[in-house]
Amino acid sequence: NAGVTQTPKFQVLKTGQSMTLQCAQDMNHNSMYWYRQDPGMGLRLIYYSASEGTTDKGEVPNGYNVSRLNKREFSLRLESAAPSQTSVYFCATLRGAGTGETQYFGPGTRLLVL
Amino acid sequence: QKEVEQNSGPLSVPEGAIASLNCTYSDRVSQSFFWYRQYSGKSPELIMSIYSNGDKEDGRFTAQLNKASQYVSLLIRDSQPSDSATYLCAGAGGGADGLTFGKGTHLIIQP
Repeated sequence: NAGVTQTPKFQVLKTGQSMTLQCAQDMNHNSMYWYRQDPGMGLRLIYYSASEGTTDKGEVPNGYNVSRLNKREFSLRLESAAPSQTSVYFCATLRGAGTGETQYFGPGTRLLVL
Repeated sequence: QKEVEQNSGPLSVPEGAIASLNCTYSDRVSQSFFWYRQYSGKSPELIMSIYSNGDKEDGRFTAQLNKASQYVSLLIRDSQPSDSATYLCAGAGGGADGLTFGKGTHLIIQP
């Protein structure tokens, strides 16, 4: 099992360019998440999807859109990249609910916006 | 009040000693708690989870939860240089929005 996979691993964009970060999981988890991680800021939730067909905003959704394509895939789109979006992006899934829930993370995408 | 708070460190501990990492949390994230380890340039990996008051041991790691005082801690016994990493504390409120993370404590084990 691959767990949670993300593509690409690295990306450099110019201000104003668009791109889509891809995430896929083979753990059959219902919930999927996108976080960004910046130095000194910890992990901040951008968007999440509790189940196929639903998406909700997290703490820092501005400048991003998401698509839950099916149960396996959850993509994050930057329509017009800005230098403030330079960050490391992690996709995660959630096993279970209540006690027993655990998040599993993908390897991350490192994005530099010039 | 931040929902999950940690001292950012760095926390420096001699090799072989006990490293103690602490975290406080708010009512919203009070159902279950997690410690993740993150090496530089890597993704977070789960070390321990704890749901009930008291201690939970797994090898060299012990998680402690005190719901009355709203804190959770992680003890690492016989610290090794390979334990040097950032440790993230996280809490869950049971909702669909997943875990809430602290900013992490940078731990350095000195050989």
